[in-house]
Parts: sequence; C-alpha cells; structure tokens
Amino acid sequence: NAGVTQTPKFRILKIGQSMTLQCAQDMNHNYMYWYRQDPGMGLKLIYYSVGAGITDKGEVPNGYNVSRSTTEDFPLRLELAAPSQTSVYFCASSYSIKETQYFGPGTRLLVL
Amino acid sequence: AQSVTQLGSHVSVSEGALVLLRCNYSSSVPPYLFWYVQYPNQGLQLLLKYTTGATLVKGINGFEAEFKKSETSFHLTKPSAHMSDAAEYFCAVSLPLGGSQGNLIFGKGTKLSVKP
Repeated sequence: NAGVTQTPKFRILKIGQSMTLQCAQDMNHNYMYWYRQDPGMGLKLIYYSVGAGITDKGEVPNGYNVSRSTTEDFPLRLELAAPSQTSVYFCASSYSIKETQYFGPGTRLLVL
Repeated sequence: AQSVTQLGSHVSVSEGALVLLRCNYSSSVPPYLFWYVQYPNQGLQLLLKYTTGATLVKGINGFEAEFKKSETSFHLTKPSAHMSDAAEYFCAVSLPLGGSQGNLIFGKGTKLSVKP
C-alpha cells in the first residue's frame, strides 16, 4: 500500500514549456486534490475531483488543467509555464469530505 | 468569506515546555477542523481532526486540540515539547464547496522551533 505517489520530485521548466505532474493513489479514494504551497502562504487548492470523470476548480485554477479518467490517477497539466507557477505541488486524496486527506510527498517545480 | 487565521508564523519553545499553537476560523456553517504537520521536505500528515461530538480531540504524538464554538477557535496544545516536534503546523477548515463536496481552507502555517 503506497498511499499517494507523485512524480517527478523536482523539475526545472523554461517559460512557455508544458508538463504534466503525475499523482496516483491506491486507497480507492473518490476525492482527489491538487494544492500548491508557496512560502508563508499555506496551501491553495488548484483543482479537485469527486470521482472518475468529475473535476472542478479550486481557489487558484488559472494556468492549470486536470483530468480524472480513473479512480487512481489525477494528473495536473501546465500548458504554458510561467515564473508565477514556481511552487511546491501536493496531491492529496480522501474517502470523503470529513475524512483525513492523505498527501503525497510533493513535486518541486522551478520555472525559469 | 471563510478563512483560517494562525497567530504567529514562528513559535519557539524550550524542550519540555508547553506548546500552544493558535488557530481561529470564520465560517457561516459548522466546519470540520483539522491540524496537519509538515516535516522538512515532506508532505502533510494529519495530527488530529474534529468533525462532531466531543470538543476535546486527541491526536498523535501527544497533541490535542479543543473546538470552542463561542471563540471560533481550535488551538493545538502539547504539555511537553520534544525536539522531534520541530516542524510546520497547519490548521485547516473543511467547508462545503459546490454542494456536498468539501474543500480544505488552510491557514498560513506556524513554524515550531524547539530549543534544547
């Protein structure tokens, strides 16, 4: 039981490049989330999903896209990387809204 | 708008001293409340949570928190700090979003240092 896994751990992008951050969970959770963490700002929700085929925007969705074709996977897509997207990205999953969210180890992204 | 305020971005205590990390929230509906801990270069893990029932909640590693509705607070305490408690702590509120779906609103975090 690996929990929530994220790849890559670290990536450097040039402005305008695109990439996909991968997230997978093996706990059969319906709810999955993407957050970004910036120093001194806590975590901000980017997108979330309540099940396969269902996604919705969080607080800071601009510049990102998601898809949820399976229960296990919830990739986050950056189409045109900008320096403002330099951050640490965390994926999380939970069984329901009042249950614990389990977090992955994070992806550190640097856009230059 | 709903929000979470953590008083003090940095708190420093001596080993063996009381740990008190403050969290206040604003919400128009009864929230679910969480404390998460983040060790350096790691993801977040749950310390404790309040959903319903008893307002004093015990968590892992000797931490506990009390939900006080009249004060809209959910402060985190530990009677005796240990060096291994040095980490960043996040208070979070879960509120309805788009109907029955949930969304965690995080505070900005409090970094706890423990002095020998």
